[in-house]
Amino acid sequence: GESVGLHLPTLSVQEGDNSIINCAYSNSASDYFIWYKQESGKGPQFIIDIRSNMDKRQGQRVTVLLNKTVKHLSLQIAATQPGDSAVYFCAENRAGGTSYGKLTFGQGTILTVHP
Amino acid sequence: DTAVSQTPKYLVTQMGNDKSIKCEQNLGHDTMYWYKQDSKKFLKIMFSYNNKELIINETVPNRFSPKSPDKAHLNLHINSLELGDSAVYFCASSQETSGLETQYFGPGTRLLVL
Repeated sequence: GESVGLHLPTLSVQEGDNSIINCAYSNSASDYFIWYKQESGKGPQFIIDIRSNMDKRQGQRVTVLLNKTVKHLSLQIAATQPGDSAVYFCAENRAGGTSYGKLTFGQGTILTVHP
Repeated sequence: DTAVSQTPKYLVTQMGNDKSIKCEQNLGHDTMYWYKQDSKKFLKIMFSYNNKELIINETVPNRFSPKSPDKAHLNLHINSLELGDSAVYFCASSQETSGLETQYFGPGTRLLVL
């Protein structure tokens, strides 16, 4: 399969379980964080975002938690479905200055959902 | 459909050739980007244009030359292709460059240099 040799972190769950994908970011000055989903053969697709003045944000079946103290971001997916199988990336950005929208991506986590 | 589109989807070519990848967005965004995704799935920004003006150039070899004829288009031309250029190239766009906006990605162009 496509994941062979990638050596990305992997998470394997059963359909209906809740999934938690973790991300450690490096820049304590980052202001904005995004989770993307990338299915095989496709581009990254926006899932949910959060700004640094928040610690939790909920969407449809997804929740993002931000812990700025330890520079940690997590994505929780409720009632995971086979269609959620993909590579998930966290990305960070910094407002203003000379960042000019420069997104820095994490390494990605492969989520596999078994029916 | 509103989207970021790229052509071609697949590009197979010989070392030393020159090739171009095209990108168009119809989201009305002011900013467009090129990213490279390597075989380990690592995504890294290459260039960013805001209103046709280059604003990010991330130490990319000068064999890579982006061109933005208008706000809706950002093309990537690559001269003298090398084996290490093989990767998936993604175009993206965002409304602005404040650092607090979502970037929307195209479907990618899979480049294989032989």
